[in-house]
Amino acid sequence: QVQLVESGGGVVQPGGSLRLSCAASGFTFSSYGMHWVRQAPGKGLEWVAFIRYDGSNKYYADSVKGRFTISRDNSKNTLYLQMNSLRAEDTAVYYCAKDEVVVAAIPGAFDIWGQGTMVTVSS
Amino acid sequence: SYVLTQPPSVSVAPGKTARITCGGNNIGSKSVHWYQQKPGQAPVLVIYYDSDRPSGIPERFSGSNSGNTATLTISRVEAGDEADYYCQVWDSSSDHQVFGTGTKVTVL
Repeated sequence: QVQLVESGGGVVQPGGSLRLSCAASGFTFSSYGMHWVRQAPGKGLEWVAFIRYDGSNKYYADSVKGRFTISRDNSKNTLYLQMNSLRAEDTAVYYCAKDEVVVAAIPGAFDIWGQGTMVTVSS
Repeated sequence: SYVLTQPPSVSVAPGKTARITCGGNNIGSKSVHWYQQKPGQAPVLVIYYDSDRPSGIPERFSGSNSGNTATLTISRVEAGDEADYYCQVWDSSSDHQVFGTGTKVTVL
């Protein structure tokens, strides 16, 4: 079945780095754009980043631009989020999510979500 | 940046109709998507492109979008509909996905 499984979360000190991974299965990964979305404890959803199906375009939320990098390896069906210069306000559950539009230049809805991985930034 | 505003909470009795609004400047010109999130779980897409339902989503869920307000309607509300609901759009002027502030639906 269609599935997304995140990994790589944990506890990191302010200013530190972490790389999240999202393993995809059950669909043609290379045909769909992918997103990262986060949710701070007790708060709402916040979109973080999007990468086009072929990796040619990437978009970032203002809150993470210049610190986070989204990438993908279509040969490994895996999405990544490299997070640098982490701050306390980056503490959240990070979800990867599949875009529902095939081979699209503009993102659509998030039709499949992973279970999330927790990132805690604390000294 | 584009802002989507939702009421913090909506309460509804079982069997009645819940309406959750999502306000944004000229939101009627955008495609609106809606998500349901239950405690401790990942969000689930319940309505996309204003009024389409993904497979597996009950017909009780419907959506509309016009002017400055999009609306998610849940008919014949059940206890299992108790959750947080978020609207979402793609803002082409900033190349950003935008989520609404979220609405907690309580079934009385």
